[in-house]
Amino acid sequence: KAGVTQTPRYLIKTRGQQVTLSCSPISGHRSVSWYQQTPGQGLQFLFEYFSETQRNKGNFPGRFSGRQFSNSRSEMNVSTLELGDSALYLCASSLRGSVGAYGYTFGSGTRLTVV
Amino acid sequence: AQTVTQSQPEMSVQEAETVTLSCTYDTSESDYYLFWYKQPPSRQMILVIRQEAYKQQNATENRFSVNFQKAAKSFSLKISDSQLGDAAMYFCAYQVSGAGSYQLTFGKGTKLSVIP
Repeated sequence: KAGVTQTPRYLIKTRGQQVTLSCSPISGHRSVSWYQQTPGQGLQFLFEYFSETQRNKGNFPGRFSGRQFSNSRSEMNVSTLELGDSALYLCASSLRGSVGAYGYTFGSGTRLTVV
Repeated sequence: AQTVTQSQPEMSVQEAETVTLSCTYDTSESDYYLFWYKQPPSRQMILVIRQEAYKQQNATENRFSVNFQKAAKSFSLKISDSQLGDAAMYFCAYQVSGAGSYQLTFGKGTKLSVIP
């Protein structure tokens, strides 16, 4: 079956702009999580959605937001981009999200560069 | 807050040899899951192995095994018969068990090189 699909793979934006990243989970998976990966901070949790509801949010400013649609696809949005937002953004899906035994399946990420 | 520490930023191993990657974590929880993920240059995080904290038996997946020491809060990964395809970043991760916990906490990673 198809894996987790993230689009686009690469993105270059200018400071002050906004950006929307997309994630399509594995069919049947209802939980979608987002992570930011940078060389300095490593992998940091952004937020998690289940059945269109945000259940958990990491320690990021309000410029970072997301949503999940009825088909479980998710988008994350970053407004007023800053240079420090340059990162690899990873999406992960799981059946339920809260049970570690099921694990998470990750996508290949979107590489965002802010100039 | 839970933290995960990987003290080895980089490691190398000869092909066909064995290597052990270290991971320690800090938590006050008693029930949780631990994971090792591999991230090759393709960027996709791939689950290598997982351990449930309430199970004393160490998890094994083919050439990959863990040494889980709950009291010491240690979770090392052993790769036997290393192959060129094992070269990647390896991340140790932690998740509290149960409803209400929806995130993984990752270590900073260990870059593993495999020497032919």
